[in-house]
Amino acid sequence: QQPVQSPQAVILREGEDAVINCSSSKALYSVHWYRQKHGEAPVFLMILLKGGEQKGHEKISASFNEKKQQSSLYLTASQLSYSGTYFCVPTNDYKLSFGAGTTVTVRA
Amino acid sequence: DTGVSQDPRHKITKRGQNVTFRCDPISEHNRLYWYRQTLGQGPEFLTYFQNEAQLEKSRLLSDRFSAERPKGSFSTLEIQRTEQGDSAMYLCASSPRSPDDWAYFGPGTRLTVL
Repeated sequence: QQPVQSPQAVILREGEDAVINCSSSKALYSVHWYRQKHGEAPVFLMILLKGGEQKGHEKISASFNEKKQQSSLYLTASQLSYSGTYFCVPTNDYKLSFGAGTTVTVRA
Repeated sequence: DTGVSQDPRHKITKRGQNVTFRCDPISEHNRLYWYRQTLGQGPEFLTYFQNEAQLEKSRLLSDRFSAERPKGSFSTLEIQRTEQGDSAMYLCASSPRSPDDWAYFGPGTRLTVL
C-alpha cells in the first residue's frame, strides 16, 4: 500500500516554513523521507524509527507518530535548494513503496 | 564508496525489441531494488533482491520483465518485446542489510520506445 501525502504541492518564498504530512494504512516499523530534484534520482533525507530514533544527514526535522501511522516533515526557513519532490516511504518490511510525493517549489 | 551505477544511461529502441539494463550496487550492499518512474509519478516498485534471491516482484509487472542478480553482486533487468508504454526512467537502488538502513539510488536508465 502506498502512503498518502499532503499537500500534493506547495509553493514557498525563501525563508518560509512548510509541513508535509504522510499517512499509512499499515503498521509501521520506520519511515524514510527522500527528496528528488528534477531530472535526478531520489536522495535520502532521513529515517525515523519506532521509539523516536532519527537518522539523517541533512538539517531537516521530522516527526513520527507510530500509533497514528503518520509522519510529518518540517521545512523551516526554506532555501532555494529545498525545491524538489519529497517522498515519504513507510516501511514494515524491506520493501520500499513510494507514493506520488509532494512537490515543493521555493522561490526567491 | 563509488555509489550505485547504472548502464546505459539512455536507451532508445524500437517497439518489439528486447533491452537489458545493468545495475552495479554499492559493494557489500545486500539489498537491491528496481523501480520504474514516469513523469510526475513516484518511483514504482518492480522487484527486490536480498543477495542473489529475488524476494518480491510486483504483481503488476508483466511477464516480459525479468531481473537477475547472479552471485549477489550486479543485477540486470531485461524487458522483452518492448512496448511504447515501457518508456520510463528505470531506477536501481541498493541498501545494506539492516531495515534501519536507507536506499541509495543510481542515476537511472532512461528508456524510450519508438
